Amino acid sequence: AQKITQTQPGMFVQEKEAVTLDCTYDTSDQSYGLFWYKQPSSGEMIFLIYQGSYDEQNATEGRYSLNFQKARKSANLVISASQLGDSAMYFCAMREGGGKLIFGQGTELSVKP
Amino acid sequence: NAGVTQTPKFQVLKTGQSMTLQCAQDMNHNSMYWYRQDPGMGLRLIYYSASEGTTDKGEVPNGYNVSRLNKREFSLRLESAAPSQTSVYFCASSAVGPGEQFFGPGTRLTVL
Repeated sequence: AQKITQTQPGMFVQEKEAVTLDCTYDTSDQSYGLFWYKQPSSGEMIFLIYQGSYDEQNATEGRYSLNFQKARKSANLVISASQLGDSAMYFCAMREGGGKLIFGQGTELSVKP
Repeated sequence: NAGVTQTPKFQVLKTGQSMTLQCAQDMNHNSMYWYRQDPGMGLRLIYYSASEGTTDKGEVPNGYNVSRLNKREFSLRLESAAPSQTSVYFCASSAVGPGEQFFGPGTRLTVL
């Protein structure tokens, strides 16, 4: 069965430093997609970054990058130069057949001034 | 361009009452989804519709029904609400193929 695991319930990072949020996945499919979403305290789901299983290069979007290690089945999110506004819940998700997303349990990131 | 809209934003029901959560998207997406999010957890799929006229069960379909009214609208119905259905409900949509799902703002439902 397909599964997403986020092993860090909470993380702290100092403002302006980089932070890595871990995500591992399990699937027998050859074609899949991996996503990261941000959920601030206001509750909305904000798309951050996407990595396709056949993409050879790691995805990047501004301060966000996805460290994709296919053999290890990991898709860690790296946030560079953390800002106070980055404090939120972060969810890793995997797309399976039909476009459905399977979510991890999330990591709560707190950025300290 | 409103994206994905959901109504209502908040709702309180008594056990046994019924209600319908409405969702609409204006991005011409084929696929639409309903998720629920319980405290401290990620989202879990209730039902989805890969295209107009089709619906399929997700991970947690019990106690819910859905209707894909047209390409734009996908509703979720609770026939007899239970306290275990207290949750935040998100509707989402996506185009065919790779790419993100766009989420609505969510409906916070409390069942007493």
